[in-house]
Amino acid sequence: RKEVEQDPGPFNVPEGATVAFNCTYSNSASQSFFWYRQDCRKEPKLLMSVYSSGNEDGRFTAQLNRASQYISLLIRDSKLSDSATYLCVVNLYGNKLVFGAGTILRVKS
Amino acid sequence: NAGVTQTPKFQVLKTGQSMTLQCAQDMNHNSMYWYRQDPGMGLRLIYYSASEGTTDKGEVPNGYNVSRLNKREFSLRLESAAPSQTSVYFCASSEGTGRREQYFGPGTRLTVT
Repeated sequence: RKEVEQDPGPFNVPEGATVAFNCTYSNSASQSFFWYRQDCRKEPKLLMSVYSSGNEDGRFTAQLNRASQYISLLIRDSKLSDSATYLCVVNLYGNKLVFGAGTILRVKS
Repeated sequence: NAGVTQTPKFQVLKTGQSMTLQCAQDMNHNSMYWYRQDPGMGLRLIYYSASEGTTDKGEVPNGYNVSRLNKREFSLRLESAAPSQTSVYFCASSEGTGRREQYFGPGTRLTVT
């Protein structure tokens, strides 16, 4: 089992749709969780941190489920500009963050 | 603020050649990282520096060396490049290690022939 696992997709959705991604992680003692966005041939950029109680930033909602060891990202009212790869990032051990391989989202008009 | 900068943006090497990738950050961050990204594998940590004067191996350190020149700069050296080192290399920085979010530079696309 991979330490941080994501469905690679692609998720193809129409504009205005709601889409959700999950990410599972292997270490139940993990403390920090993030979602990053990466556009084609660009660097990853922080989208949002994931807090225990769940958090929202505009159209984006992140949730943490410690019992089942996964985090989720929900995007409402998808825009063409949301097309990107979404990386799940977890502080699995000690000083390092572990990155998932990413989920590709394509929003179509 | 420029954030994290990397040079060069692109590089082509022949097998056995050496080169140094440069990284600098202007956010006064303590920790800096070097990753490589290959298709389908996500970002893999090569080396990191938790603070000025310290460096530690990550997941894939073989074939690389690093230098934390000062708080701002962290370089990655390939002593004898191999085709398996063809990849995109990202430098990142954070206020602290582990639980803190990281900020990335634009990357260096390296091809070894």
